[in-house]
Formats: sequence, structure tokens, C-alpha cells
Amino acid sequence: AQSVTQLDSQVPVFEEAPVELRCNYSSSVSVYLFWYVQYPNQGLQLLLKYLSGSTLVKGINGFEAEFNKSQTSFHLRKPSVHISDTAEYFCAVSVRDNAGNMLTFGGGTRLMVKP
Amino acid sequence: DTGVSQDPRHKITKRGQNVTFRCDPISEHNRLYWYRQTLGQGPEFLTYFQNEAQLEKSRLLSDRFSAERPKGSFSTLEIQRTEQGDSAMYLCASNDRNTEAFFGQGTRLTVV
Repeated sequence: AQSVTQLDSQVPVFEEAPVELRCNYSSSVSVYLFWYVQYPNQGLQLLLKYLSGSTLVKGINGFEAEFNKSQTSFHLRKPSVHISDTAEYFCAVSVRDNAGNMLTFGGGTRLMVKP
Repeated sequence: DTGVSQDPRHKITKRGQNVTFRCDPISEHNRLYWYRQTLGQGPEFLTYFQNEAQLEKSRLLSDRFSAERPKGSFSTLEIQRTEQGDSAMYLCASNDRNTEAFFGQGTRLTVV
């Protein structure tokens, strides 16, 4: 079975400051990694994904994440946040080569950007 | 295609009543998933369809829950004899083998 831990439930940050949202995972098999964003009363929107290749992946809205296999981490970063980045962020994994591609999510991190 | 569509967006029901939610996936996607998200938590997998076949069910899916995808297109999730603990956001997602999951906006269920 897989598990995902998001170490911070809330991250307050001032506008234009950098931010890092942490994600660690546990799995006995190889996984794909994802970050999703959820705005209030909305579904989830994919920010970025790691399937293979370069460990630094760039996503939408200026976000990027780095896959670190030895530390089983996939931290999300943005060099300068905007008020509109205020939302809930979820890290997720799915098992490679599994026909179902079901996602296992972390508990989420609420990013609160202050003016 | 407008993406994954879920109906209704909100549902308030009395305890003990039955409710049914609908999900219309992206038309070319043969895989469809249901997830449940309680307040302050990440989504949890409930069940998965490939075309019309229900291939996986989570232990979270008690016998009061049933899901169908009769023609391999839209899906319904029914909850019988609702309980207050069923209050949650129910999310539907779809994909095909080569894409990531696309989520609908969810149905928020409140059981009073």
C-alpha cells in the first residue's frame, strides 16, 4: 500500500515571498507523483506531475516540484506567490503500471497568502 | 468537451433517505473514479470503472453504497439510508491510460 504525508497543514506566507510545500510518500513499488490544487467548493486541478525523466518538473501558475527518490519526497515550490495562490494543495501518488491509476492523496496543505 | 461534469453540486438530505449522484466523464475517457473528501482531509478512493466494468472497490464503500456505469459513459453513485457520517464532498474523475485524472467539481452532500 502507498501513503502520502504532507507535513504542514497550513502555510501562511506574504505575497511575493517564496514558498515550499512539503510532501513525502511511502511505497514498496514505483509510483507516479502529482500535485493538485483545490479552490473552495471546487474540484481538483492538476498543477504538475512526475512520471519519469528529469526530477525537476514545472507546472502551471509558476509552480515546480522536485522528485527526490532517496528521500521519497516531492516538494512543491514557487519563487514568488500571489494572493490568487491561496488554496488547498494536495500531493498524490499512483502505482506505476497499475491499470487502475487510482490516486492516494495526502491530507492537504492550506496555503494562505497575505498581502 | 467541457470536462468532467457532476450533478447536483449540492445536496441536503435527511438521515435515512436515499440519494443518487451523477457523473459525466470526458467523452473519450474509458476510466472513471469516485472519491470521497471529508472536511479538512484529502480525497479517498471509493471505486473505479473501466468502461462499464467496476474493477476496484475500496473498503470505504459499505453495502449502503452502490455505483454503476451502465453503458460505459456516465456513472451514478447511490447512497441508501444516509447517515450523518456520509456528509462529504463526492468527487468524480476520469482518464484514459495515457493521461492524468481530470476531476469534476464535486457534489457536496449534507445529511441532517
